[in-house]
Amino acid sequence: KNQVEQSPQSLIILEGKNCTLQCNYTVSPFSNLRWYKQDTGRGPVSLTIMTFSENTKSNGRYTATLDADTKQSSLHITASQLSDSASYICVVSEWVGYGGSQGNLIFGKGTKLSVKP
Amino acid sequence: DGGITQSPKYLFRKEGQNVTLSCEQNLNHDAMYWYRQDPGQGLRLIYYSQIVNDFQKGDIAEGYSVSREKKESFPLTVTSAQKNPTAFYLCASSISTGGLSNTEAFFGQGTRLTVV
Repeated sequence: KNQVEQSPQSLIILEGKNCTLQCNYTVSPFSNLRWYKQDTGRGPVSLTIMTFSENTKSNGRYTATLDADTKQSSLHITASQLSDSASYICVVSEWVGYGGSQGNLIFGKGTKLSVKP
Repeated sequence: DGGITQSPKYLFRKEGQNVTLSCEQNLNHDAMYWYRQDPGQGLRLIYYSQIVNDFQKGDIAEGYSVSREKKESFPLTVTSAQKNPTAFYLCASSISTGGLSNTEAFFGQGTRLTVV
């Protein structure tokens, strides 16, 4: 069964510190992996998208890595800010073959990050 | 502004009533999706549409209905048959392309539905 597992479920860090969030998946065949940031009561906003050939991708203080062999991804946040407090969702897209439309997105349950002053 | 708009932000429904959630996009995207989000769970797909006048059931379609009469609009009706409708509902859209999918999914701001 296609699954996306995230850890930890929740995390509290002090402002200015770094942190790393983990995502393991069993989705096959794999198309791409996305990280989203979701503020409370708002819709998710995309941070990065990576295909199987990409090992790392950055978006400002956010850096995502992907190991397609071990089916693991991480999201590293550098020099955290209070505004980083949110849920971070890992989403994996299935590959549906050439000529097909976009495959299903399989969502993780998210990691709730709290940044304290 | 280009984007995807959901309305209303908050919605209250009496038991036994049908309610319709609005989703509009001006991104010229072919594909639109409805997801349900419950506390502690990942987003679950209700319905999706890849083209006008066509839509497919997702994983939890029972008690919901949709229409796609226009490319820009994908309203979701929560019917009285949905036994546990209180949730946060998210609409999304993306360019529907063939082949290797590297397309972005853009989400609306969500509608929180509460049954009273």
